[in-house]
Amino acid sequence: DVKVTQSSRYLVKRTGEKVFLECVQDMDHENMFWYRQDPGLGLRLIYFSYDVKMKEKGDIPEGYSVSREKKERFSLILESASTNQTSMYLCASMGTSGTSGSYEQYFGPGTRLTVT
Amino acid sequence: AQSVTQPDIHITVSEGASLELRCNYSYGATPYLFWYVQSPGQGLQLLLKYFSGDTLVQGIKGFEAEFKRSQSSFNLRKPSVHWSDAAEYFCAVGAREYGNKLVFGAGTILRVKS
Repeated sequence: DVKVTQSSRYLVKRTGEKVFLECVQDMDHENMFWYRQDPGLGLRLIYFSYDVKMKEKGDIPEGYSVSREKKERFSLILESASTNQTSMYLCASMGTSGTSGSYEQYFGPGTRLTVT
Repeated sequence: AQSVTQPDIHITVSEGASLELRCNYSYGATPYLFWYVQSPGQGLQLLLKYFSGDTLVQGIKGFEAEFKRSQSSFNLRKPSVHWSDAAEYFCAVGAREYGNKLVFGAGTILRVKS
């Protein structure tokens, strides 16, 4: 089974702090994703990465950055946390696209971040 | 732009009753379609997926979905709901032309009453 783990289930940070959310997958997947989930809005893509050191902006990248130094690890960084970044953050991974059975994303359990 | 609509924010059904959750999409390409389920405090788990072929797709936990191209829909069904099905359900759409990204609907929260 694919396993995607996230470093924290719950996190409380203060406004202005730098926040790191870590995600690790164990299936040698090329693609990794960071989403935020808010009630009534579903999942919105923040950033994704299709290879080590490669990244692309998603739909809502403002206020976030990412790092992918190793294939299995994808980090989301909040440079200066703000209260409007209080949310559930979900990481996902996916194998190589373009083949039958691809495009399926596997999700971690999520990190509920509260910024006070 | 690509979009996915789940018209029902909340649905309540009685245990043992049938269920249908609606999903409509707007896509400029042949879509790949998914249904995910999220139990409280958990990540998303894949229920089923459609890539091609038979438009009626069977998934886990007794769920099925039917792709109707003419209606741009991919509705999720279950003939008899169990209390453990109470969760939030997300429809998602992707396409080869749009690379590796999925677009998710806003979700439908299912409540099951005994």
